[in-house]
Parts: sequence; C-alpha cells; structure tokens
Amino acid sequence: SQKIEQNSEALNIQEGKTATLTCNYTNYSPAYLQWYRQDPGRGPVFLLLIRENEKEKRKERLKVTFDTTLKQSLFHITASQPADSATYLCALANAGGTSYGKLTFGQGTILTVHP
Amino acid sequence: GAVVSQHPSWVICKSGTSVKIECRSLDFQATTMFWYRQFPKQSLMLMATSNEGSKATYEQGVEKDKFLINHASLTLSTLTVTSAHPEDSSFYICSARSSSNSPLHFGNGTRLTVT
Repeated sequence: SQKIEQNSEALNIQEGKTATLTCNYTNYSPAYLQWYRQDPGRGPVFLLLIRENEKEKRKERLKVTFDTTLKQSLFHITASQPADSATYLCALANAGGTSYGKLTFGQGTILTVHP
Repeated sequence: GAVVSQHPSWVICKSGTSVKIECRSLDFQATTMFWYRQFPKQSLMLMATSNEGSKATYEQGVEKDKFLINHASLTLSTLTVTSAHPEDSSFYICSARSSSNSPLHFGNGTRLTVT
C-alpha cells in the first residue's frame, strides 16, 4: 500500500544551523510534491511545490530536493530562526487517472529552533 | 494572493444540532475544494473532494449524509455536520486550488466542539 513517512517526529536544532527534514514514500509515483508549514491551531501554509521532473527548488532560505529514484524529498531551512519552529508537512499528489492531483499528507515533523 | 477564508474559526454546539462551516477563496476561482479533518498530533485526513456544480466525492469511511458538502460557486464551499455528536469534535480544515497542477491553499480551520 502507499506510504508516506516523515522520518523524524521531532527535530531540535540551534538557531543559525540548517534544518533538514526528510519525506520518504513507497508504492507511489507522485506527479508533484508540496511542503507546508502548520502552526498550532492553524491551517497549513503552502511553502514550495516541486514537480517530478525537477530536482531542486529554492525560495529564500528554503530549499527542496526531489529524488524520484530514492523516492525521497529533503526540505532544508538555512540559517534557521526560532520563528521557524512549527510542524512541517510533506504532501504527495497522485499522478494519474481521475484522482490526479489528490494530495496525501505525511504525519509531519515538529521543528524546534532553540535560541 | 491565494487566500482561503474559513468561518467560523471555532464553534461549540450541543449534541444533535447541525453546524455549517464556510470556505471561501478570496482572490482566485477554486475549481476544486477539499475538506480535511485533523485530530491532535495527527496529520490531515481527507474527508471529501468538492468540485463546483457537482456532487462531492467522499473518502472511504466518511458518511456523506452526516457531512454534507455544497460547492455552489467557484469561490464558496460549505460543510454541514448534521446531528453532531461528541465524537465529531475535531479540527476541520478546508482547502482550495485553481487547477489540479496548482498548490493547495488552506483556510485557518474550524475547531468544532460538540457537548
């Protein structure tokens, strides 16, 4: 069955370091992958979208990679700040048929950046 | 851009009553809207997919007669929880996108408490 794993439930790092979050999937050929940030009691906020034919995407301090051979996406936050503390979710979009674009979410990684 | 407004942000109701939650895309036309449910410390679970002008598609295990979805226009979808029970208490989040290749944008969620 299809599975998405964000293999750290929680990640703690020091301010200024780079945070790296991992999203692995099995039995899936996604059309694209998205990363979201969610703060407690709020809806997720879209950060980045990367398509299956793209290797890397950047936006300010954020970088996402997508390796369809390894079936893995890495999400990096450089020069991390305490304000980056939140839950980060990866989501994969179905590639084909009537469910094209349907998103399935990972369980999320809680990132805490310590001053 | 890409703002999704969800109301109310929280609601408390008595068992047996019905509650309506509204989801609006403010600055884009949403061909598809999605309704999710999220339990504490868990990821988002898709309840149903709503396309403007047609019946919603419900995920397995979601009672369509209990969770009524109406997508009457390209900017508005509503979820009505009918005859609510305490076990329906949860965080409900809507999302919308302009096309199947576009990022999904979320509302801020509705915290439903059924007493």
